Amino acid sequence: DGGITQSPKYLFRKEGQNVTLSCEQNLNHDAMYWYRQDPGQGLRLIYYSQIVNDFQKGDIAEGYSVSREKKESFPLTVTSAQKNPTAFYLCASSIAGRTQYFGPGTRLLVL
Amino acid sequence: AQSVSQHNHHVILSEAASLELGCNYSYGGTVNLFWYVQYPGQHLQLLLKYFSGDPLVKGIKGFEAEFIKSKFSFNLRKPSVQWSDTAEYFCAVNGFTSGTYKYIFGTGTRLKVLA
Repeated sequence: DGGITQSPKYLFRKEGQNVTLSCEQNLNHDAMYWYRQDPGQGLRLIYYSQIVNDFQKGDIAEGYSVSREKKESFPLTVTSAQKNPTAFYLCASSIAGRTQYFGPGTRLLVL
Repeated sequence: AQSVSQHNHHVILSEAASLELGCNYSYGGTVNLFWYVQYPGQHLQLLLKYFSGDPLVKGIKGFEAEFIKSKFSFNLRKPSVQWSDTAEYFCAVNGFTSGTYKYIFGTGTRLKVLA
């Protein structure tokens, strides 16, 4: 089955801790994206990558970091600098300019 | 500034009622338009899309949307909703800006259909 997987489904972060959210796709898409979803705010772009070894900041990149070492993988790290990390995080991929396909999401909660 | 506006944040309808969800965008140049749906506990999934051609596009589950270029609108419609249409609906736009494709989402509309 082709698609996007995200893990874990739920993640708990302690104060001062960095946590990493996984995103893998087997759709052979060049472009991958990370969004944050908060109630009433829609989807806000954190980072995106159009090609391996290259990525750009989105609208709310502060406190987050990414890497794109493989076409299939685009992990997101929520650093301790992100003061309000509680949210639902969505990963997506696409052929450039075409339909985005989304993963099931990771819900991050702060202990 | 580039933006997408969804006018209705919450909509409550009875089964068999007609639905229209508004979406207006502000984006210079050629755009592609999308409606996504997020059913409770499920992935965000594509409902329908417009890239070019006939401005009236049909999607899954009886939904359709009309692209009106002069009004910068892409409203979503369904003639008769079902309880299973209860979900959150997102309008999105993408365009090519500064060497990259940029996607912008609206804030979403929560639809509740009463049985």
